[in-house]
Amino acid sequence: SQTIHQWPATLVQPVGSPLSLECTVEGTSNPNLYWYRQAAGRGLQLLFYSVGIGQISSEVPQNLSASRPQDRQFILSSKKLLLSDSGFYLCAWGQGNEQYFGPGTRLTVT
Amino acid sequence: AQKITQTQPGMFVQEKEAVTLDCTYDTSDQSYGLFWYKQPSSGEMIFLIYQGSYDEQNATEGRYSLNFQKARKSANLVISASQLGDSAMYFCAMRDPRDSGGSNYKLTFGKGTLLTVNP
Repeated sequence: SQTIHQWPATLVQPVGSPLSLECTVEGTSNPNLYWYRQAAGRGLQLLFYSVGIGQISSEVPQNLSASRPQDRQFILSSKKLLLSDSGFYLCAWGQGNEQYFGPGTRLTVT
Repeated sequence: AQKITQTQPGMFVQEKEAVTLDCTYDTSDQSYGLFWYKQPSSGEMIFLIYQGSYDEQNATEGRYSLNFQKARKSANLVISASQLGDSAMYFCAMRDPRDSGGSNYKLTFGKGTLLTVNP
């Protein structure tokens, strides 16, 4: 069966510091991968998606970037965090009509 | 542009009763997909049910059913026999058909409804 992992689970970072969030998927090959952000009390906003290794599409302009160095690995990064980057970050993988989400990373920028 | 509207910020239901969570959508596309996800306080997003725009039958998954009314552009979630563990945020989402080439599906989410099940 397929599983999706995210780490870390929680993170507190100062403004201006770098960021690296990792997502890995097991039990499937060549999945579509997605990064979403959820601000407090809000729905999810798609940030990036990837249909293959090295293929990244950005949905919103921001100071975040994404990379897919391996088939089942998706990384969300920033060189300098802003206060507005605080939120709950969810990685998802897609197959057919469904998307399955990881447990999420709660990021607080102070 | 697509839009998903969930007009109920919060809903209360008595344990063992049924509850309907509303979702309306706006799209000019003929082919699309609608989803419901559950988000408990732990934060994970749990896939509940999917309805394709061409599906003639309403989708059902255990205690969950989707009341799909295409002409009204509504896709309400019905939870039968509510349980205490059903207390959570519920999100309606739509698949973006413009990116349905291959198997890539981008989802647009509503703002969610917080369901509280009372004992």
